[in-house]
Amino acid sequence: AQSVTQPDIHITVSEGASLELRCNYSYGATPYLFWYVQSPGQGLQLLLKYFSGDTLVQGIKGFEAEFKRSQSSFNLRKPSVHWSDAAEYFCAVMDSSYKLIFGSGTRLLVRP
Amino acid sequence: SQTIHQWPATLVQPVGSPLSLECTVEGTSNPNLYWYRQAAGRGLQLLFYSVGIGQISSEVPQNLSASRPQDRQFILSSKKLLLSDSGFYLCAWTSGRAGGNEQFFGPGTRLTVL
Repeated sequence: AQSVTQPDIHITVSEGASLELRCNYSYGATPYLFWYVQSPGQGLQLLLKYFSGDTLVQGIKGFEAEFKRSQSSFNLRKPSVHWSDAAEYFCAVMDSSYKLIFGSGTRLLVRP
Repeated sequence: SQTIHQWPATLVQPVGSPLSLECTVEGTSNPNLYWYRQAAGRGLQLLFYSVGIGQISSEVPQNLSASRPQDRQFILSSKKLLLSDSGFYLCAWTSGRAGGNEQFFGPGTRLTVL
């Protein structure tokens, strides 16, 4: 069965520092992968997605993610974190029925 | 452009009372529609999805039901709420075309059952 694992429940980084949020997936075929961000009490906003092609995907707000098939990973990165990036981040894989399977999320805290 | 609405934004209901949450999408036709629940401190659980009017698929057995009376309207209901129904309910849509299209989420409804 397909699944998504986000091993870090919380991550705290200082403003201006780099960020990497981990995501591992389990899926038999070439996956469609997504990263969403959720601010408190809000809906989810898509940061970026991977369908095919270049394994390094650029998204909004300066985020990028790299698809590594050999590691079944799709980690999210940002070179310099801003205080406004504090939120919860969800990785997701789309299954064969076009439904999203989400990870449990990683909450990002940003130290001033 | 497409937009998705959910209401109410917040709701406090007693145990045993009925529930109706509404989701509507504008600017697209024949979308796939989804209801998710997000319990406190947890990820998103898919509850229902619909590929067309009157077509509802349930992902998990529960106290809730869904209906799609119109192409761009998706309703989540319960006859008698349980404490465990508390959570943040999110509606989402995606293009009805086959393929790995992204899902667009509504602003959510915070439900508290007392």
